[in-house]
Amino acid sequence: GAVVSQHPSRVICKSGTSVKIECRSLDFQATTMFWYRQFPKQSLMLMATSNEGSKATYEQGVEKDKFLINHASLTLSTLTVTSAHPEDSSFYICSAAIWQTLENYGYTFGSGTRLTVV
Amino acid sequence: KQEVTQIPAALSVPEGENLVLNCSFTDSAIYNLQWFRQDPGKGLTSLLLIQSSQREQTSGRLNASLDKSSGRSTLYIAASQPGDSATYLCAVGGAGNMLTFGGGTRLMVKP
Repeated sequence: GAVVSQHPSRVICKSGTSVKIECRSLDFQATTMFWYRQFPKQSLMLMATSNEGSKATYEQGVEKDKFLINHASLTLSTLTVTSAHPEDSSFYICSAAIWQTLENYGYTFGSGTRLTVV
Repeated sequence: KQEVTQIPAALSVPEGENLVLNCSFTDSAIYNLQWFRQDPGKGLTSLLLIQSSQREQTSGRLNASLDKSSGRSTLYIAASQPGDSATYLCAVGGAGNMLTFGGGTRLMVKP
């Protein structure tokens, strides 16, 4: 089945540094990828939608200059957390829509990245 | 704006019980509804996907139903096992391939 590989699974960084998270679709082409953030014991909140070859669309309240998203190819999307602060510590998950037919689709998710900023 | 609510937020049951998790959504104009399982500190595992034209899907001990008109879905777990302990997330797919998640139900199945 359609698989999205996300890495790193866990990263610890110092305040002020930048961290890049990668998501790759392994056996399909992901025209659109979604980036979510999840705080402890809370549900997933959509941060942004990235489309291959164009600028990402950010949800209200998400700083686009802080969370840089690049979707340069049909199989790779990256999220870079710039100048990270402790409040950026969270679980980040990517997702891609997978199409069964032109009308029917579902989603597959990466395994997530636990970011801890110290 | 679509809002998805899951009830209960937490559930603890003895092993062997049949249980029902509920999911409701405010906008019935959905494309699909998907149930996921999330173990602590892990990503999401897709359990069942129901397209808007379908009413239910089954996989093993799991059965999910969808009633678009009333904005509801239920996930039925038969003969629960300790290994079923996890957080179950309901997510509704809408326009622009966007997925809106419910708050989840944290399930604990006691041996």
